[in-house]
This record gives sequence, C-alpha cells and structure tokens, in this order.
Amino acid sequence: SQQGEEDPQALSIQEGENATMNCSYKTSINNLQWYRQNSGRGLVHLILIRSNEREKHSGRLRVTLDTSKKSSSLLITASRAADTASYFCATAYNNAGNMLTFGGGTRLMVKP
Amino acid sequence: SQTIHQWPATLVQPVGSPLSLECTVEGTSNPNLYWYRQAAGRGLQLLFYSVGIGQISSEVPQNLSASRPQDRQFILSSKKLLLSDSGFYLCAWSGVSRNQPQHFGDGTRLSIL
Repeated sequence: SQQGEEDPQALSIQEGENATMNCSYKTSINNLQWYRQNSGRGLVHLILIRSNEREKHSGRLRVTLDTSKKSSSLLITASRAADTASYFCATAYNNAGNMLTFGGGTRLMVKP
Repeated sequence: SQTIHQWPATLVQPVGSPLSLECTVEGTSNPNLYWYRQAAGRGLQLLFYSVGIGQISSEVPQNLSASRPQDRQFILSSKKLLLSDSGFYLCAWSGVSRNQPQHFGDGTRLSIL
C-alpha cells in the first residue's frame, strides 16, 4: 500500500499563481522527499526534509512538514508553464536501504 | 558527477518472451540501487532494491527477477513476460548513508502484446 497520498490529484492554475500540493502519510518517517516527473521521463529530486525539520526552501519551492499531523505541503510560488509536471511525495522510514514509498502524485498544469 | 543510464527507452515484446533491462551508474561507488514500476497516471511501486553486489531484496511477488553482477550494474529480467508486466520501469540509485535522495534514470516503456 502507498504510504503517502497527495492531494489534490490534479491542479490547474494560471502562470504567476502559486500552487500548493499536500501529502499525508501513515507511519513514522526519517525524512520526506518531493520529486517532479515530466511526462514520460524519470523523476527528479526537488527537496528532502528530515523528520526534525519543519520548513525548507529551494528557489521558488517551499516545503513544510508537520509530523504531528503526518503531513507535508509543497508550495511553488510564481508558477511558470515549465512547472507543468506530476509531483510526488515519498517517505523514507527507518531502513538500511534508503527505501522510499511514493504517493500517487499531483498532476499540475500551469496555463500560460 | 554521477549519471545513471537506463536502456532501452521503449520496448515492445510478445507475451511469453524473455526480458532484460539494464541500468548502470557512473561516478559513484557502492550505491544502493532500485527498480520501480509505474502504471499510467500512478505512483511508483518498488520492485527490487540492492545494497551491494549479489544482494537483492524483492518487495512484491511477481514474474520478474533482478540481479546485480557488478557494483554499478542492475538488471531486471523475466523468463516469460505476462500482459500484466506492461508499464514504465524506472531504475534509481542513492547513497548509502541515511537521508539520501534517489536519482532516477529516464525509464523504459514496456509494452506486452
């Protein structure tokens, strides 16, 4: 079963608007990661946030983590048409192999 | 810098035929290696992972197998493909210490006829 579940499943916004995607998970984690996938391509790592961190920034990306609610959010500010992609959260639990459990993803469309 | 190569990009195979997908990593030593399958419009399902040469762990029972004959080579195989094996297969690597991201290849689109 999937550990993380993204919400919404699909999001359509205009260029320049902000996009917020949410992720919920079920068990304790070491870290939570966000990935981006363009259609038909591999995943690209965006941000890793550790279980003892609450917020992290990278350029136009802002990730928050609330371990008490077992949830995370990804905010993309001032979106661009090139941000159109699927975004996945993935949780890492305590394991030797750095294994991740992925959610079903949010499909983001940014209209020019 | 590290790179990951996965091939072929697309593959069309008849039911019952064998399969071999290869993944190689360059620029790093002793990586953790992973094979995932992704159904259309869905998330990734972990199939196999490896923490060293000859060490393979399977996450789900299936018609597939994996091998790691060399440190930076990971192979996904099947002796007889099923229709249900169709999908998008992704290889990834990560460092061995905790809190490491995974780095993905460009995937193989496998269609079974």
